[in-house]
Amino acid sequence: AQSVTQLGSHVSVSEGALVLLRCNYSSSVPPYLFWYVQYPNQGLQLLLKYTSAATLVKGINGFEAEFKKSETSFHLTKPSAHMSDAAEYFCAVTSDTGRRALTFGSGTRLQVQP
Amino acid sequence: DAGVIQSPRHEVTEMGQEVTLRCKPISGHDYLFWYRQTMMRGLELLIYFNNNVPIDDSGMPEDRFSAKMPNASFSTLKIQPSEPRDSAVYFCASTSSTSSSYEQYFGPGTRLTVT
Repeated sequence: AQSVTQLGSHVSVSEGALVLLRCNYSSSVPPYLFWYVQYPNQGLQLLLKYTSAATLVKGINGFEAEFKKSETSFHLTKPSAHMSDAAEYFCAVTSDTGRRALTFGSGTRLQVQP
Repeated sequence: DAGVIQSPRHEVTEMGQEVTLRCKPISGHDYLFWYRQTMMRGLELLIYFNNNVPIDDSGMPEDRFSAKMPNASFSTLKIQPSEPRDSAVYFCASTSSTSSSYEQYFGPGTRLTVT
């Protein structure tokens, strides 16, 4: 069965520093992978997605993620953190049964220090 | 374009009362998902529908929870009777079978507090 592991429930960076949020997945079939962001008291918003095209995926707000099959990873990065990036980030993977349901990781809360 | 619409945004009720949460998916989307988010358990899939038919309800916690989708533009999640441990944020999401990427679009959520 598919699963997602997000390493680090909390990550703190300084404004202007590199953001790296880790996501590892397991799936018995080639997966589609997603990163969602949740701002306080809001729903989840899609940041970016990997759907078996380019392995380096660019999303909104300057974020990008690289699909590495050999490492079963899909880490999210941003070169320079902004205060407005403070939020919770979720990695998700498609079902390996071909169904439309997604499996979400436990989330990583990003804090950005001034 | 209107996104996924959920109502109410906040609900406070007493233990034992019936609670009904509502969701309107994005027009044209034929998949609808209900999730629950808590600090302890994170984001959990409760149930999802395709063309108004429940496909997988294995995440529904117990018989106190029920969900319906009477038509393509409306779904309800009902809890009867409610208990304090049901306090959570409930999200509805939708997607289209014509989307090749399976991405889901989320509503703003309903924050439920059961006292």
